Amino acid sequence: AQKVTQAQTEISVVEKEDVTLDCVYETRDTTYYLFWYKQPPSGELVFLIRRNSFDEQNEISGRYSWNFQKSTSSFNFTITASQVVDSAVYFCALSESTGGFKTIFGAGTRLFVKA
Amino acid sequence: DAGVIQSPRHEVTEMGQEVTLRCKPISGHNSLFWYRQTMMRGLELLIYFNNNVPIDDSGMPEDRFSAKMPNASFSTLKIQPSEPRDSAVYFCASSLGQGGTTGELFFGEGSRLTVL
Repeated sequence: AQKVTQAQTEISVVEKEDVTLDCVYETRDTTYYLFWYKQPPSGELVFLIRRNSFDEQNEISGRYSWNFQKSTSSFNFTITASQVVDSAVYFCALSESTGGFKTIFGAGTRLFVKA
Repeated sequence: DAGVIQSPRHEVTEMGQEVTLRCKPISGHNSLFWYRQTMMRGLELLIYFNNNVPIDDSGMPEDRFSAKMPNASFSTLKIQPSEPRDSAVYFCASSLGQGGTTGELFFGEGSRLTVL
C-alpha cells in the first residue's frame, strides 16, 4: 500500500534561513511519481514539482531544490533564503502505477517564515 | 484557459439535508479526483475517475457519499443525508495521464461545506 509521511507538522524559521521539509514514502511499485504541492493561506493547492521513480536527479528551481533518494525512500524539499511569502502548508504526494495512478498526500508541513 | 471549476464555493446547510458539489475539470484531462480536507485528517482522497469511470472509491466515508461523472466535463459529489462531521473543504482536481504516466493535479478552489 502506498503511504506518504511528513513527520514535521510545523516549522518556524526567520526570513533568509534555509529550511528543509522532509518526505518519506512507501510503495511496492517500481513505477511511481512523487510530487510537492504548496497551499498558501488563501487555500488553493499549487503544484511545485513532479519526479518519476526512474529519475533520481536532484532538481533546483530558483530558491527551491529537491533531493530524491530511492535508497532511503525520501523526497525532501529545501527552500534557500526563505521569505515571508513562502509561509504555507507544503504537501508531498505519491502516485503509483498499480494503484491506477491515484495520488495520495502526506499530512503536510506548515511553514512559518517570520520577518 | 479555464482551470478546474467547482461550485458552490461555500455551502451552509442543516444536518439531514442533501448536498451536491459540482466540478468541471480542465478540458482534455482524463482523470478526476475528489478530495476532502479537514484539520484532523488532512487531504483525503475520496474517489477518482479515469476516462469517466470510477477507479477507486475506497476513500468514500460511507454510503451517504456518492459521486458520478456522467461525461468528461462534469462530476458531482453528493452527500445525503449530511451530518456535521461532513464539514470540510472539498477539492476537485483533474490531471492528464498519458501512456501509463501521471500528470500533476490541477485543483479547483474548493467547496467549503458547513453542516449545522
